[in-house]
Parts: sequence; C-alpha cells; structure tokens
Amino acid sequence: GNSVTQMEGPVTLSEEAFLTINCTYTATGYPSLFWYVQYPGEGLQLLLKATKADDKGSNKGFEATYRKETTSFHLEKGSVQVSDSAVYFCALSDGDKIIFGKGTRLHILP
Amino acid sequence: SAVISQKPSRDICQRGTSLTIQCQVDSQVTMMFWYRQQPGQSLTLIATANQGSEATYESGFVIDKFPISRPNLTFSTLTVSNMSPEDSSIYLCSVGENAYGYTFGSGTRLTVV
Repeated sequence: GNSVTQMEGPVTLSEEAFLTINCTYTATGYPSLFWYVQYPGEGLQLLLKATKADDKGSNKGFEATYRKETTSFHLEKGSVQVSDSAVYFCALSDGDKIIFGKGTRLHILP
Repeated sequence: SAVISQKPSRDICQRGTSLTIQCQVDSQVTMMFWYRQQPGQSLTLIATANQGSEATYESGFVIDKFPISRPNLTFSTLTVSNMSPEDSSIYLCSVGENAYGYTFGSGTRLTVV
C-alpha cells in the first residue's frame, strides 16, 4: 500500500542555517504530495503541496519538488528562523485519503 | 479553503465514560475524516465519515469503540466510547477539497484519567 518515510528527528539548527528534511514515498499511480506543519500547541496547517511530477510547491520560504524518478519530496529552506521551530509532516494522497509520515521535529537555536 | 470548527478543544474524562466530538464545516464537503494523534506521534486515520451511510474504518479501529455520525455535508461527530487512559490523544477532523488539499480542525485534546 501507499506509505511515506521521512527523516527521523529531532533536527537542531542554528538560525539562518540551510534546512533539508528528506521525504520519500511509495505509491501506485500519481499521488499528490504535501508538507504540513504543526507549531507547538497548535493544529495542523498545510505548508505546501504539489500535484504532479516536477511541480514545485513553495510557501514562507520553504520549497519542495515532486521528483517521480526518485519518489521524493524533500523540504528545503535557505535560511531558517527561530519561528520555524515546529513538527513537519510529509504526506501523500491518492485522492481517497491522506497518509502521513511520522513527522520531523525541528528546533532552531537563536 | 473550508473553515472547520471542532469542539470541545480539550477535555479531561473519567475512564469508562464516553466523549462526543463535533466537527462543523462552513461549506458542504464530500470528504470528511477523523484522525488520532497520540502524544509525540504522527496522525493515524481512524475512519472516513460518509454522508448518509456507515463510516469506513481503518484497520485497528471499530465502530463500537469509535461510532461516527455524518447527518449532512457540513457536520460530523466522533464518539470515543468506554474510554481508557490509552485513548488519551488529540483527535482531529479533516476535510478534503480538491483545490486546497486537506484542511484540519484545531483538534480535541483528550485526557483520560
């Protein structure tokens, strides 16, 4: 069945560092891919999405590119801020429902 | 995108009792889902709430424990029955919208004592 694997956390970086959180997926067909973010004590928010191969989703300085050849959707940001500290979830949808990775906790140090 | 109101936002319940969580959406949606997020864990799909018919449960979840109602296209409830401390989690309602992906309610933080 469909599944999502993302890098284990926690990830700790200094402010202004470059961020990559790896995400790979297994799916039949052509799923849509998502990154969601959960800030401390809050609900889940959609950060970005991509619906077909080679699409790039972007928002708030974060980017991820749908790579069908490597079945990946890695999240990147060029310069992280303390306010980016949160848990990040990679997810996929086959149109029926959405499946999440285990989440990666990100700590940004000032 | 749709706006979801979920309540209660949190509750502390005695073991053996039941709690019903409500999810109200500001527009008609076809796809509505219930998730559980155990402490420090990812989201696990409990069931898809189907309007006018029985919910579709994922492996490991049963109707007797998590009865779901969906009387119309804007409202659903999830009941957590005969609760035990292991049911302490955040429960989230979600709707699927083709244009916007999936939107989540703010969740119900349940503690069972």
